[in-house]
Amino acid sequence: EIVMTQSPATLSVSPGERATLSCRASQSVSSNLAWYQQKPGQAPRLLIYGASTRATGIPARFSGSGSGTEFTLTISSLQSEDFAVYYCQQYNNWPPNTFGQGTKLDIK
Amino acid sequence: EVQLVESGGDLIQPGGSLRLSCAASGFTFSSYSMNWVRQAPGKGLEWLSYISSGSSTIYYADSVKGRFTISRDSARNSLYLQMNSLRAEDTAVYYCARDSYGDYYHDYWGQGTLVTVSS
Repeated sequence: EIVMTQSPATLSVSPGERATLSCRASQSVSSNLAWYQQKPGQAPRLLIYGASTRATGIPARFSGSGSGTEFTLTISSLQSEDFAVYYCQQYNNWPPNTFGQGTKLDIK
Repeated sequence: EVQLVESGGDLIQPGGSLRLSCAASGFTFSSYSMNWVRQAPGKGLEWLSYISSGSSTIYYADSVKGRFTISRDSARNSLYLQMNSLRAEDTAVYYCARDSYGDYYHDYWGQGTLVTVSS
């Protein structure tokens, strides 16, 4: 089973600043990596797939990069609605499709 | 508009059984593979089960293998999860999630249904 490790667990950033979230796979997942956003009391929402392709309707301030074992989600200028928990998920070697433990993005 | 609506969550005693449903609309349900994913209170996401569009391929996480059964009914545009031998650690919000066509990331999610296993 591939283990996905996200860092940091919590990230405190001020609105308007840039946020950088990391996700590491225990073995290569090629570019088969997705990012999801989850707000309290809501279902996860797909942000990024294929490591770097934004899903439909996702603002351009969200970008993904990386391949193999190291991935990054960058939010270029944080808006109030971006404060949430973010999960990465690999879908290269499955089952299981493993998720990271999440990064909580807090308002600083 | 794609919609996934889960139902069937409840308070159930340990050892009991429950059947969750996910009603799909706004897309050709029979063409898409589907999944169940759960989230224990205050915890992260855990993938549980996958079923291909034609039900020919089914997978389970080790944590539920032998206790949970995924199925689908394309005539009713519905996905199901039969859960038996429930344990306290199965307490979670259960989401159904659609796979993107031809791929294996989850492009649409339902709002979830809460299952509480407690005596």
